[in-house]
Amino acid sequence: GENVEQHPSTLSVQEGDSAVIKCTYSDSASNYFPWYKQELGKRPQLIIDIRSNVGEKKDQRIAVTLNKTAKHFSLHITETQPEDSAVYFCAASIGPSWGSNYKLTFGKGTLLTVNP
Amino acid sequence: SAVISQKPSRDICQRGTSLTIQCQVDSQVTMMFWYRQQPGQSLTLIATANQGSEATYESGFVIDKFPISRPNLTFSTLTVSNMSPEDSSIYLCSALAPSVHEQFFGPGTRLTVL
Repeated sequence: GENVEQHPSTLSVQEGDSAVIKCTYSDSASNYFPWYKQELGKRPQLIIDIRSNVGEKKDQRIAVTLNKTAKHFSLHITETQPEDSAVYFCAASIGPSWGSNYKLTFGKGTLLTVNP
Repeated sequence: SAVISQKPSRDICQRGTSLTIQCQVDSQVTMMFWYRQQPGQSLTLIATANQGSEATYESGFVIDKFPISRPNLTFSTLTVSNMSPEDSSIYLCSALAPSVHEQFFGPGTRLTVL
């Protein structure tokens, strides 16, 4: 099955700096890569995703890049703010379509702390 | 997006008993999922709840321990049976919104087994 590795496990940055979280996956059939943000005691929230037909996607201060050849994808947060502090999870899905083979495999998470 | 609610939000149970968690989605969805999340850990998929058929369980999870129902396209239940302290965890319901092909999560049920 799919295996997703995520690094680093913890990341501390100063407010205004950039943060980068990296993930690798094992199954070349994976074609969907979402990122979730989970604040303490809250549910995971989808913040951005990328599909295998694009290499980069940006949404305001957040961007995700995908390298299918190397089987890795990264989350970039610019101009970090204290409210960005949370656990971030990457994930990958197996399956050529949204059929019964779809399921997300999650990385172990990155605790991001943005210091004021 | 899909709005997902769960009941109960938390419970404290005695070992050997069972608890059923309910998950309600505000719109029809194709796929629903149940996850377990230990404090400070990642999300582990228990099973995919299929409407009109048996759930599909992941390795390490069995139907006798975690029976699942999916009577329609907006509702599912997960039962944690014959509980032990090792079952203490947060259980999260999730659904794949077909219109946007994005997966959303419920608020979770925090279970403590004494």
